[in-house]
Amino acid sequence: DAKTTQPNSMESNEEEPVHLPCNHSTISGTDYIHWYRQLPSQGPEYVIHGLTSNVNNRMASLAIAEDRKSSTLILHRATLRDAAVYYCILRDGRGGADGLTFGKGTHLIIQP
Amino acid sequence: DGGITQSPKYLFRKEGQNVTLSCEQNLNHDAMYWYRQDPGQGLRLIYYSQIVNDFQKGDIAEGYSVSREKKESFPLTVTSAQKNPTAFYLCASSPLGPMNTEAFFGQGTRLTVV
Repeated sequence: DAKTTQPNSMESNEEEPVHLPCNHSTISGTDYIHWYRQLPSQGPEYVIHGLTSNVNNRMASLAIAEDRKSSTLILHRATLRDAAVYYCILRDGRGGADGLTFGKGTHLIIQP
Repeated sequence: DGGITQSPKYLFRKEGQNVTLSCEQNLNHDAMYWYRQDPGQGLRLIYYSQIVNDFQKGDIAEGYSVSREKKESFPLTVTSAQKNPTAFYLCASSPLGPMNTEAFFGQGTRLTVV
């Protein structure tokens, strides 16, 4: 399985943008980049995913490098409710069942 | 409402007893997954299944067993062979097909073995 690398933790201030990086240097051409986040004592929830182009939804934006070896999840205006562990994972777009492998993620701390 | 349900939320068992954790989904998803999470750690894959009556071991399958007799159900049994079963267990489901869209997670079962 292709692997991802994320910083263990990041800190940001409330109402400021947050950029969460993810490296995936061994990504294959059919891998989609997915982001999930996990609030304390809850199951992870889907945030966003993309293949090559940048993506926007109501929760966040995903910026994908031109060579696809890295990506950045952007929270445009962080709130205290965004404090969570953020996971960047790769999923094969060919449609077979994959193991849906998670790393340790980035623990995002939001200061009021 | 469509979703994925894990029960119970908290479970206590005595050492040496087998225990089964329930996971049900009404999203008509083909794939289902079980994860274990220890304090301060990420999710580790135990088992996954893409179709009824078929499942594959994940990274930490020893001491666990699963079944997939129905599409909507994927129960996990923590056996007495699991040396350190106390953990937070998460179940997930996902559609299969092009692009592999989002996975949905349950709220988890916190198992404590005493």
